[in-house]
Amino acid sequence: EDQVTQSPEALRLQEGESSSLNCSYTVSGLRGLFWYRQDPGKGPEFLFTLYSAGEEKEKERLKATLTKKESFLHITAPKPEDSATYLCAVQAAAAGNKLTFGGGTRVLVKP
Amino acid sequence: DGGITQSPKYLFRKEGQNVTLSCEQNLNHDAMYWYRQDPGQGLRLIYYSQIVNDFQKGDIAEGYSVSREKKESFPLTVTSAQKNPTAFYLCASTNRAEDTQYFGPGTRLTVL
Repeated sequence: EDQVTQSPEALRLQEGESSSLNCSYTVSGLRGLFWYRQDPGKGPEFLFTLYSAGEEKEKERLKATLTKKESFLHITAPKPEDSATYLCAVQAAAAGNKLTFGGGTRVLVKP
Repeated sequence: DGGITQSPKYLFRKEGQNVTLSCEQNLNHDAMYWYRQDPGQGLRLIYYSQIVNDFQKGDIAEGYSVSREKKESFPLTVTSAQKNPTAFYLCASTNRAEDTQYFGPGTRLTVL
């Protein structure tokens, strides 16, 4: 059974204080790992897809990396508008387009 | 303006009633999905459909039903058999050429 665990559950940062979110996964043949951002009461917004170990992707203050067992979402010099819940999901090679989600990390960036 | 729409945004239901949540997409996507999200938790797959007139159960299908009569529409019915239906419901879609699922704005269902 595919499993995704995100840590920490919640993260409080001061504006400008860089940090990393962790997504550990077990999957039988990784097809892709996805990061989403979700604001309260809204649908998830797609951020990145990573396909193979060693791959990195960046968008503004966010950088996602992938190893064979985990992915990290690095937030560099965060701003209050980066406050959100960040969701990680994996797609197994044998599961078609089905995604298995982690529980998310709630990030609060204080000015 | 392409995208995924869900309606209504908020829905209140009395115990014992069936309710139907709407999901429409104009992205010409082949596959559509329904997820449930409980407070502080990740998303769990209810049902999904890869093509019109075909759909499969996800991890938590009991108490739910779907139909896929048109490519752009994938309504979800929450039946009275669903023991704990209060949750945030999210619809997503994707096409065969890519793996990324794109989400609608969600419907918050509350059972009174």
